[in-house]
Amino acid sequence: EDKVVQSPLSLVVHEGDTVTLNCSYEVTNFRSLLWYKQEKKAPTFLFMLTSSGIEKKSGRLSSILDKKELFSILNITATQTGDSAIYLCAVYSGTASKLTFGTGTRLQVTL
Amino acid sequence: GAVVSQHPSWVICKSGTSVKIECRSLDFQATTMFWYRQFPKQSLMLMATSNEGSKATYEQGVEKDKFLINHASLTLSTLTVTSAHPEDSSFYICSAPSRAGAGDTQYFGPGTRLTVL
Repeated sequence: EDKVVQSPLSLVVHEGDTVTLNCSYEVTNFRSLLWYKQEKKAPTFLFMLTSSGIEKKSGRLSSILDKKELFSILNITATQTGDSAIYLCAVYSGTASKLTFGTGTRLQVTL
Repeated sequence: GAVVSQHPSWVICKSGTSVKIECRSLDFQATTMFWYRQFPKQSLMLMATSNEGSKATYEQGVEKDKFLINHASLTLSTLTVTSAHPEDSSFYICSAPSRAGAGDTQYFGPGTRLTVL
């Protein structure tokens, strides 16, 4: 059974801090790993990673995948209160043709 | 980008009634759509894959007779929660791939919050 584990489960930081969120996975026929941000409604897409070692970057957010060690990290620098959300990691299996989501990391950024 | 809508956004119903939730792809066609359920403080759990013109594929542990899925057109899938009970109260989200075979590029609808009294 495909499995995605995220850590930490929950995190509180001060505005301006840098955070690293972790995602490890076990999946049959890995095709891609995706990061989403979820506030009050449905998840919004952040990154899709398919190749090891290539950093994807969008503003203060960046992510990288290690297919050998089966994990990915999501970095957020200079955090702002608007970054407070649940960050979801999901892995797509080419065999199962579906996304498997991790439990998410709840990030709270305080002033 | 592609847009997926859901209707209604939230619904409150009495125990024992049935509730239908619609998922539409607004500017693209989707032969496949996915239905997820999310309980408070938990992650998204895939319930079923909806296939246009054929039967849905349900995940293990999801009752197909309770969660009826119909994908009658290339832009509409519906999920009907039959004889709803309080334990069915949850956030239901649908998604559709941006193109056929691109299941890892899914556009999510805004979700439907169901509360069963």
